[in-house]
Amino acid sequence: NAGVTQTPKFRILKIGQSMTLQCTQDMNHNYMYWYRQDPGMGLKLIYYSVGAGITDKGEVPNGYNVSRSTTEDFPLRLELAAPSQTSVYFCASRDQGAFNQPQHFGDGTRLSIL
Amino acid sequence: GQQLNQSPQSMFIQEGEDVSMNCTSSSIFNTWLWYKQDPGEGPVLLIALYKAGELTSNGRLTAQFGITRKDSFLNISASIPSDVGIYFCAGQFSGSQGNLIFGKGTKLSVKP
Repeated sequence: NAGVTQTPKFRILKIGQSMTLQCTQDMNHNYMYWYRQDPGMGLKLIYYSVGAGITDKGEVPNGYNVSRSTTEDFPLRLELAAPSQTSVYFCASRDQGAFNQPQHFGDGTRLSIL
Repeated sequence: GQQLNQSPQSMFIQEGEDVSMNCTSSSIFNTWLWYKQDPGEGPVLLIALYKAGELTSNGRLTAQFGITRKDSFLNISASIPSDVGIYFCAGQFSGSQGNLIFGKGTKLSVKP
């Protein structure tokens, strides 16, 4: 019962470095999402995907890129890390079967940019 | 960006107390969800509501989808120590590809 798996769990980056946050799900869900959670705030949508090869911007996409080459994987890329991107990042997926199927979340990646 | 108004922001409970929290929005949603987040973990779904007026229970938890479709509440009866955590409401618009709008959370702590 792996569900949604995110790696790494923690990472510290220097300003200007790049990295990829990994997300994989084993539930064959078509829909996948990336959120960020800042201290004391709810989650905000960065990017989402409705299936392999299809991605779209969410509320806060600037500074990030995504790709979806397979159903299972939805990596999030930071090209030039900035202090404002210090946050906890959550990946989620949901079943396409019924439109309002709820999202299932991974345990997050805690990212600090120094 | 749009965000839900969730209250209270935090509350302290003693074991056995009932707890109530709510979310309001200026927008109409077709789905309301309630999640719980424990430290170091991702949100876990507690209750999903799909129809205006719907009242749904999950053990000691009860949630309702407001008639106006602009609000929802979550009640926890006879709280226990493991209820501590952060509770988030989330709303979903019709036709939004399942994208969620989250409240800022209600942090539940145990009274010393």
